[in-house]
Amino acid sequence: DADVTQTPRNRITKTGKRIMLECSQTKGHDRMYWYRQDPGLGLRLIYYSFDVKDINKGEISDGYSVSRQAQAKFSLSLESAIPNQTALYFCATSDGLAGFNHEQFFGPGTRLTVL
Amino acid sequence: QKEVEQNSGPLSVPEGAIASLNCTYSDRGSQSFFWYRQYSGKSPELIMFIYSNGDKEDGRFTAQLNKASQYVSLLIRDSQPSDSATYLCAVNDGGDDKIIFGKGTRLHILP
Repeated sequence: DADVTQTPRNRITKTGKRIMLECSQTKGHDRMYWYRQDPGLGLRLIYYSFDVKDINKGEISDGYSVSRQAQAKFSLSLESAIPNQTALYFCATSDGLAGFNHEQFFGPGTRLTVL
Repeated sequence: QKEVEQNSGPLSVPEGAIASLNCTYSDRGSQSFFWYRQYSGKSPELIMFIYSNGDKEDGRFTAQLNKASQYVSLLIRDSQPSDSATYLCAVNDGGDDKIIFGKGTRLHILP
């Protein structure tokens, strides 16, 4: 089984709908992240969480919210989806006790299309 | 705004040659540097991590770090068609433990 899983893998929705993307990990990491990737714009950080009670905005948090339900689960919500939120979304995890090695481990991604 | 800069490419390299990918970063407080490989539509995967000045080799890959020049590079020796991908340079934010990603360089290995 994959260490970092994302559901759904693909989703097509309409403008104004509420959407939740879910991420689960079995790596035992304390830190979790949500990114979006758009062609030519690279990976942009939406939200991140360093433990269950810690939630931080990234560079593009407007229009998104998150919930860290447990150490292993981090969900991303779009309260009212709009077309420019069409993108590839990645969840990632890292080990806060890894010293200099802040390696992030990525899930397989969710391709979201907002019509 | 802390930045990581890469040439977007595409960089075309003949099979068997050395591919050289470059990256500069703005945060002098950064201590950890990463190269990720990403195939189209797939998730990034780590191929090299370096935190000391100098070279680090792993198989056909060599990462080079020069903190004084705020420069990190990746060399791929004996390039193979399977190396064709986008390579993301990433640097830790010196203020906390986030990672800042560059926009990536597309590498195309010509058979």
